[in-house]
Amino acid sequence: AQRVTQPEKLLSVFKGAPVELKCNYSYSGSPELFWYVQYSRQRLQLLLRHISRESIKGFTADLNKGETSFHLKKPFAQEEDSAMYYCAHVPHSSGSARQLTFGSGTQLTVLP
Amino acid sequence: NAGVTQTPKFRVLKTGQSMTLLCAQDMNHEYMYWYRQDPGMGLRLIHYSVGEGTTAKGEVPDGYNVSRLKKQNFLLGLESAAPSQTSVYFCASSYSTGANVLTFGAGSRLTVL
Repeated sequence: AQRVTQPEKLLSVFKGAPVELKCNYSYSGSPELFWYVQYSRQRLQLLLRHISRESIKGFTADLNKGETSFHLKKPFAQEEDSAMYYCAHVPHSSGSARQLTFGSGTQLTVLP
Repeated sequence: NAGVTQTPKFRVLKTGQSMTLLCAQDMNHEYMYWYRQDPGMGLRLIHYSVGEGTTAKGEVPDGYNVSRLKKQNFLLGLESAAPSQTSVYFCASSYSTGANVLTFGAGSRLTVL
């Protein structure tokens, strides 16, 4: 089955340290990949998508087809980055319905 | 602009009771979705709709029914609630041809005793 995997349920880093949240996908071809974030007591929201190749709040994510990965990175973590992060994709099988499927999430805690 | 509104925000049910969660969006989005969020499981798609009058099953549809009688509303029903349905439920919506940028509601926390 086409899926995305986030191997870390919990991740803690110190403020100012680099952070990398891992996401791997299980299929070949051209995936559509996204990172969504849920801050405490806020709604789940889009952080970035691979087609845009953008940097949001200092975060970037590069699609690596060789490693089938879409890791989320930030060079200097801030306390306000503490949140639940979800990697998501649109499986090829979803066709016109374009169902977004989420990974299991990584809870990031940035320590002072 | 309210975006996506879910009601109720909290509900406690007894096993076997029924209830309906209402999702309303004011963005004229074609697609609407119901997800459930469980610890360690992420978000799993229950049902979705690609337009008024149409619904389809997602990854975990058993025990749930949905209806999309009006474009702006998407209802999720539990006919006979079970403790396994204790979860946080999220509604989301999106444009039909967008790059899957979903707008989420605030969530509805359901506890089944």
